Amino acid sequence: ILNVEQSPQSLHVQEGDSTNFTCSFPSSNFYALHWYRWETAKSPEALFVMTLNGDEKKKGRISATLNTKEGYSYLYIKGSQPEDSATYLCALYNQGGKLIFGQGTELSVKP
Amino acid sequence: EAQVTQNPRYLITVTGKKLTVTCSQNMNHEYMSWYRQDPGLGLRQIYYSMNVEVTDKGDVPEGYKVSRKEKRNFPLILESPSPNQTSLYFCASSRRGENSPLHFGNGTRLTVT
Repeated sequence: ILNVEQSPQSLHVQEGDSTNFTCSFPSSNFYALHWYRWETAKSPEALFVMTLNGDEKKKGRISATLNTKEGYSYLYIKGSQPEDSATYLCALYNQGGKLIFGQGTELSVKP
Repeated sequence: EAQVTQNPRYLITVTGKKLTVTCSQNMNHEYMSWYRQDPGLGLRQIYYSMNVEVTDKGDVPEGYKVSRKEKRNFPLILESPSPNQTSLYFCASSRRGENSPLHFGNGTRLTVT
């Protein structure tokens, strides 16, 4: 079973702080990396799908980078707001169509 | 509205009583998948389907069955539920390929006593 690791497991920041967290994965046979945002009592929603080494994607204050050679992706949130509080999941797409999720980073932003 | 619909949202049942959780998508997606979410373990894939009549085991398939007779539907069947299947279940769908993000249903919280 492929191992997708996310760190930290949880993060508490103040409103206005910028923050980042990591997703690590095996670098061999890479196909794609997905990032999802999962708010409490809702369903996960896709943020980014990244496929190429060096990819950088941005959506508002949230951005992500990808390094497939060393097997990691960073998610950055600039100027965190309380509405950014959620669990952020990364998932590795491997050969055959399996999408393997990390355990997530739970972000709490205090006003 | 494009969506993935799961039913029921909540279900309490007893050990051994067969149940089915339905999942339907209206986006003409080829790929569908079932996940369970347990505290500390994240989302784990149960079964997935790349297209009609094609299903494959995920990482935790034991105790579950699925079928994909039509493109839009992907029911999850628990023939003889046990308490260790108490969990939050999500169905998801996407277009085929690694570039396509998953669209998730609203989840089904199952309790087996």
